[in-house]
Amino acid sequence: DGGITQSPKYLFRKEGQNVTLSCEQNLNHDAMYWYRQDPGQGLRLIYYSQIVNDFQKGDIAEGYSVSREKKESFPLTVTSAQKNPTAFYLCASSWGTGDEQFFGPGTRLTVL
Amino acid sequence: KQEVTQIPAALSVPEGENLVLNCSFTDSAIYNLQWFRQDPGKGLTSLLLIQSSQREQTSGRLNASLDKSSGRSTLYIAASQPGDSATYLCAVTSGGYQKVTFGIGTKLQVIP
Repeated sequence: DGGITQSPKYLFRKEGQNVTLSCEQNLNHDAMYWYRQDPGQGLRLIYYSQIVNDFQKGDIAEGYSVSREKKESFPLTVTSAQKNPTAFYLCASSWGTGDEQFFGPGTRLTVL
Repeated sequence: KQEVTQIPAALSVPEGENLVLNCSFTDSAIYNLQWFRQDPGKGLTSLLLIQSSQREQTSGRLNASLDKSSGRSTLYIAASQPGDSATYLCAVTSGGYQKVTFGIGTKLQVIP
């Protein structure tokens, strides 16, 4: 089955820890995205990548980092510099920027 | 800066009723508009994508229309079913970087 997978589904982080969220797609899409969803707010873009070995900051990149070493993988690291990381994180992909986006099931991160 | 508004924030209808969800955007220079469905705690499921040159798209009981000049889109759901209960999000792609801006969504409840 073609699609996007995210792991883990739930993640708990202690203060001061870095954590990495996984996103994998087998749709052969060039573009991948990370969004953050908070109650009462629309999805906000953290980072996006149009092609392997290239990525760009979105609207709320501070405290986050990404890599794109393989076409199918776009992991997101939430660093200790992110002051309010508790949120629902969604990964998406598309053929190119501006094309129809397809989403993974999401990871819920909670800071203890 | 593109802004996307969805009204109403919540809607409750009896099963079998036809209904319309609204989405408005402030910058009419868009590339496309996408409607998504999101179930609680899940990722987004793409329902329909309307390109800027199109007026409407249909999929089963769903019909989405686009009026760029007035900055509006509607999602029409025919013969609603309890399984249609979810949050429906509208997303607009616009700008030189083809940025996607999401609305907060309309939470739909279909009562059996």
